Amino acid sequence: EPEVTQTPSHQVTQMGQEVILRCVPISNHLYFYWYRQILGQKVEFLVSFYNNEISEKSEIFDDQFSVERPDGSNFTLKIRSTKLEDSAMYFCASSEGFRIGTWETQYFGPGTRLLVL
Amino acid sequence: TQLLEQSPQFLSIQEGENLTVYCNSSSVFSSLQWYRQEPGEGPVLLVTVVTGGEVKKLKRLTFQFGDARKDSSLHITAAQPGDTGLYLCAGEPNNAGNMLTFGGGTRLMVKP
Repeated sequence: EPEVTQTPSHQVTQMGQEVILRCVPISNHLYFYWYRQILGQKVEFLVSFYNNEISEKSEIFDDQFSVERPDGSNFTLKIRSTKLEDSAMYFCASSEGFRIGTWETQYFGPGTRLLVL
Repeated sequence: TQLLEQSPQFLSIQEGENLTVYCNSSSVFSSLQWYRQEPGEGPVLLVTVVTGGEVKKLKRLTFQFGDARKDSSLHITAAQPGDTGLYLCAGEPNNAGNMLTFGGGTRLMVKP
């Protein structure tokens, strides 16, 4: 069964450093997403991406964050200058397609656990 | 922001018992999805409900979407230790794009 994969599984970085989290969405999916989950808290939406541009983003997704689809398979989340509060589990998800007002199932990857020291 | 409230937050039951988990909102959702999440892993989709009043069954799990599409429930019959885990509901807000809003989760423990 096709699945979303993410690398690395764990990332430890120093505050102020840049990190890039990588995702390979399911191959025939058109929409890609990043969510994060701070330990003990709810899963929170960060950003959605379609046709090589951001479709929606939350208040969390500020100028420190960026997303990119550098090639036909990868989808990346970059945090330019990490802060302590960026420590969280980051999940990538993908879905087949999207029409406003209809449902669309999102499939999640296993996550990358980011720890900022 | 459209919120989803799950209850109970924690549930500890004996094997063989039945249980119901609730997911409630004051807002309408285009769809509602139930996921199960194991520690250190991503949410794994169980089911998506779309139509108000819809009922879906997955073995011993029964999912229902409220008539007004503001709430949902997950009922487990004859719970087993293998059902232990974190159950999350997540909704796609009505006409608000394709972002999912997650509930806080119900942590279920089924004791043998």
